[in-house]
Amino acid sequence: DTAVSQTPKYLVTQMGNDKSIKCEQNLGHDTMYWYKQDSKKFLKIMFSYNNKELIINETVPNRFSPKSPDKAHLNLHINSLELGDSAVYFCASSQSATQETQYFGPGTRLLVL
Amino acid sequence: GESVGLHLPTLSVQEGDNSIINCAYSNSASDYFIWYKQESGKGPQFIIDIRSNMDKRQGQRVTVLLNKTVKHLSLQIAATQPGDSAVYFCAELEYGNKLVFGAGTILRVKS
Repeated sequence: DTAVSQTPKYLVTQMGNDKSIKCEQNLGHDTMYWYKQDSKKFLKIMFSYNNKELIINETVPNRFSPKSPDKAHLNLHINSLELGDSAVYFCASSQSATQETQYFGPGTRLLVL
Repeated sequence: GESVGLHLPTLSVQEGDNSIINCAYSNSASDYFIWYKQESGKGPQFIIDIRSNMDKRQGQRVTVLLNKTVKHLSLQIAATQPGDSAVYFCAELEYGNKLVFGAGTILRVKS
């Protein structure tokens, strides 16, 4: 009964490919997030959606495009993958955009070769 | 282990001792702070939070202290156990419910 789940857990791909990571939460939360964790363990927010609407969009290359088909899902599509995209990507959710506690998924480890 | 090659601050404690992990934050306007624990291969897990109108909050075996004057947070873990070994992050909440994380501290518990 995982609260926030992500697929795949591991993703190894070649430079230039396009890939997607999926996230689902079964907590009934309205707000979902994508974070990137680099090799030094630094965690930084990328995007946030509230009820399927984009509310936070940090300075992220436009090769990254989030999509929220419904409020329980937030997917991340990455075009033309680059070596520097290698990282762990975490999805998170919170009750609302003003409810601070965020619950994280297990992460997707992306390696671009 | 996963921490090899990382240059995060590391705290090594003996099992049963108390641990204190420190964090400095940058935004004096932040009014909500959270501590997360991240075990190897897992996502960050919420431990405890505190609002800026408090200077101390206690949970089960954990206490968070907030010093707004010097913009400093600490996490105290009582009777540290091997299962407490992880990377610990403080985070401050900025406008738009955006969590800004600190660099992280590795806690190693020696049996």
